[in-house]
This record gives sequence, structure tokens and C-alpha cells, in this order.
Amino acid sequence: ILNVEQSPQSLHVQEGDSTNFTCSFPSSNFYALHWYRWETAKSPEALFVMTLNGDEKKKGRISATLNTKEGYSYLYIKGSQPEDSATYLCAFKAAGNKLTFGGGTRVLVKP
Amino acid sequence: ETGVTQSPTHLIKTRGQQVTLRCSSQSGHNTVSWYQQALGQGPQFIFQYYREEENGRGNFPPRFSGLQFPNYSSELNVNALELDDSALYLCASISGGTENTEAFFGQGTRLTVV
Repeated sequence: ILNVEQSPQSLHVQEGDSTNFTCSFPSSNFYALHWYRWETAKSPEALFVMTLNGDEKKKGRISATLNTKEGYSYLYIKGSQPEDSATYLCAFKAAGNKLTFGGGTRVLVKP
Repeated sequence: ETGVTQSPTHLIKTRGQQVTLRCSSQSGHNTVSWYQQALGQGPQFIFQYYREEENGRGNFPPRFSGLQFPNYSSELNVNALELDDSALYLCASISGGTENTEAFFGQGTRLTVV
């Protein structure tokens, strides 16, 4: 059974502050690490698909890093805004297209 | 909008009944995965279909079954519903062409078993 863990489970951030949170995953049989943003009443939306050790990806104020050797990825939000409030899910892909999800980090940005 | 639609959006069933949930895949995607998200947890993998064949299954009992149709849309069937089956059920559509493509999710079906 693959173990994908995210921490913290929830996070309150003041508007304008930067924050980051972690996804840990098995370091063997790595194919890809996905990050999704899931806003209430919407579908999870892909942020990044990361495949290479040392990968850094950026989309606006959100960026992610990947360390496949030690099995972790960080997601960073710079200058948090209320619209960043969502649950952020990471998912590990080993073989095939099956994704194993972490429990998510729920981010609430307070104005 | 992802182009992946699920129906119905909400459903209430009685313990012991059977339910069918439906998912249309993104155009051009031949792989559909189903996930169960219980309250306060991340999505749990139920099973996956690739070109109408099940090609992966999570730790769910046989009363969870599925189908994929020639147009790659999919159904999730749950027999003998239990109270613990109450959850959000998500389907994800994946191109299946490469290993590292993102999944496109529907908005989910909220199932309540009473």
C-alpha cells in the first residue's frame, strides 16, 4: 500500500503572507507527482505534473519543488490571496495511470 | 470546465440498495479512474478502466464494480449499500497516451446512504 502524506492538514494564512506545505511519497518506482487545487463546489484542477528530481515549476504565485530521492515535494504560495483558499492535493503515480492521493492541505487565506 | 461530467450530482439511498453513478470522459481520453472521498480524507482509488477493461483496483470490496463503454464513458455500481459508503465519488479522465499527463476530474457525485 503506497503511503502519500501531506502536512499540515490545514493552514490559516493572513492575506499577503507566503506559505508552504509538504507532500511525502515513496521514493521508489517514481513516475510522477501531481499537485491539484480543489476549490469548494468545483472539480480538482491540475496545478503541476512533476517528473524529474530537482524539478521546480511555477504558475503565477504558486510554485512547487520535487525531490524524488528523498520522496517529498513542497508547494509554495507567495503573497497569499483569498482566492488561493482551497484544498491542495498531491498525488503520486507509480505504474500505469493510477494516482495515489494524499489527504490534502486545506488552506484558508484570511483578509 | 474540464469536460468531464458526472451524474447525478447528489443522491440519497437507503442501506441495502444499489446505486449507479455515471461519468463522461474528456474527449480523446481512454482511461477513467474512480475515487471515493470520505469526509476529511483524500480521494481513495477505487478502480480504473482502460479501453473498456479494468486495469487497476484499490482496496474496495467486489460490491463496487464498474463498466467502461466504447465511447469511454464509465459507470460505477455499488451493491448492498452501507452507511460507510456515504462519500463524494469522483471520476477522473486521463489520456492514457503517456505516463505523465494530468487527470481531469468531474465535480463528483455526493452519495448519502441512510
